[in-house]
Amino acid sequence: GENVEQHPSTLSVQEGDSAVIKCTYSDSASNYFPWYKQELGKRPQLIIDIRSNVGEKKDQRIAVTLNKTAKHFSLHITETQPEDSAVYFCAATSGGGSTLGRLYFGRGTQLTVWP
Amino acid sequence: ETGVTQTPRHLVMGMTNKKSLKCEQHLGHNAMYWYKQSAKKPLELMFVYNFKEQTENNSVPSRFSPECPNSSHLFLHLHTLQPEDSALYLCASSQEWRTNTEAFFGQGTRLTVV
Repeated sequence: GENVEQHPSTLSVQEGDSAVIKCTYSDSASNYFPWYKQELGKRPQLIIDIRSNVGEKKDQRIAVTLNKTAKHFSLHITETQPEDSAVYFCAATSGGGSTLGRLYFGRGTQLTVWP
Repeated sequence: ETGVTQTPRHLVMGMTNKKSLKCEQHLGHNAMYWYKQSAKKPLELMFVYNFKEQTENNSVPSRFSPECPNSSHLFLHLHTLQPEDSALYLCASSQEWRTNTEAFFGQGTRLTVV
């Protein structure tokens, strides 16, 4: 099955700085890569996603890049704000076989933005 | 209420108890999921139901028993649990299984087994 690795596990930045979280995946047939944000005590919520036919996607201060050759995708948050503090999860869907469509999650990154 | 709703939010149970977790979605989705979230571990998929039919059982012990009476409701029946089963149990739904669409999560049930 798919193996998703996420780094770093914790990240602290000053307000206004950028934050980058990186994930790698093992299944070259994976084709959908969502990112979820989970604030303390709240549910995970999708913040951005990218499909394998696109190399980059941006939504205001958030962007995701995908390198299919390297099997690597990253979340970029610019001009960070204290309310960006949360746990961020990357995920990848298995591209085939009995696990087709199953979402595999990374372990999460605790982002703390200091004012 | 819209979205995915889970009850109860918190549950403490003994190892000999029987309890059930409930999930309800009002999004018109056809796929529903149970995930287990333990500290410092990836979200683990437990069960998938697509159009009320169980399509995935990710090697979950039989002390966890899911039930999906219709596309809007999902239950997780618990019995004879172990302390290591203590975790946050998240329900999610999506339009359909295997269509790579957004999964909407409930707020979870924080389960403590004593």
